[in-house]
Amino acid sequence: DSGVTQTPKHLITATGQRVTLRCSPRSGDLSVYWYQQSLDQGLQFLIQYYNGEERAKGNILERFSAQQFPDLHSELNLSSLELGDSALYFCASSATGDGYTFGSGTRLTVV
Amino acid sequence: QKEVEQDPGPLSVPEGAIVSLNCTYSNSAFQYFMWYRQYSRKGPELLMYTYSSGNKEDGRFTAQVDKSSKYISLFIRDSQPSDSATYLCAMSVGTGAQKLVFGQGTRLTINP
Repeated sequence: DSGVTQTPKHLITATGQRVTLRCSPRSGDLSVYWYQQSLDQGLQFLIQYYNGEERAKGNILERFSAQQFPDLHSELNLSSLELGDSALYFCASSATGDGYTFGSGTRLTVV
Repeated sequence: QKEVEQDPGPLSVPEGAIVSLNCTYSNSAFQYFMWYRQYSRKGPELLMYTYSSGNKEDGRFTAQVDKSSKYISLFIRDSQPSDSATYLCAMSVGTGAQKLVFGQGTRLTINP
């Protein structure tokens, strides 16, 4: 167990729907990062939050949004889903001076 | 051009061989370099974390950074079938609250 918890592990939904992915960081970590991993694109950075505030944005679509709550857990919201959004979505957390710790991911399948 | 380039492989070697995995990068501001191991359908696991140029050893794993050439390597000695996984290099400009930029990942298979 890495200490980063992601739920759900698997999600199957239809095109056009909206889903919410949840992440609880390691105890004490203030930064949360979201990554998308697909077969042809590798790990793509989506967005980072630090202590509740958005810190950096990567290649995140306008249909996607995220937030970090006062208890530091984070949610990634994906709306108007398309087939191409099918991927593994990872959350990671970090503290100053070390690398990231990743969760086990949420596998999203859009049908 | 991608900021971080990594040969996706696949790479297949016999058990006991020395494995060399490499990444090149274009952003000279990168100072922190990491290697992650990812088993199928699992989250990436941090293997090695290094700062600036030089070597770092941890058991059978050695990470090497050459900032002048913008080139990093991971060596695995006495490779085992359990080392079969995808290896991803990653790097960042700073520590802690800094985004990581990943390579594509190299799929490695160690054959018994």
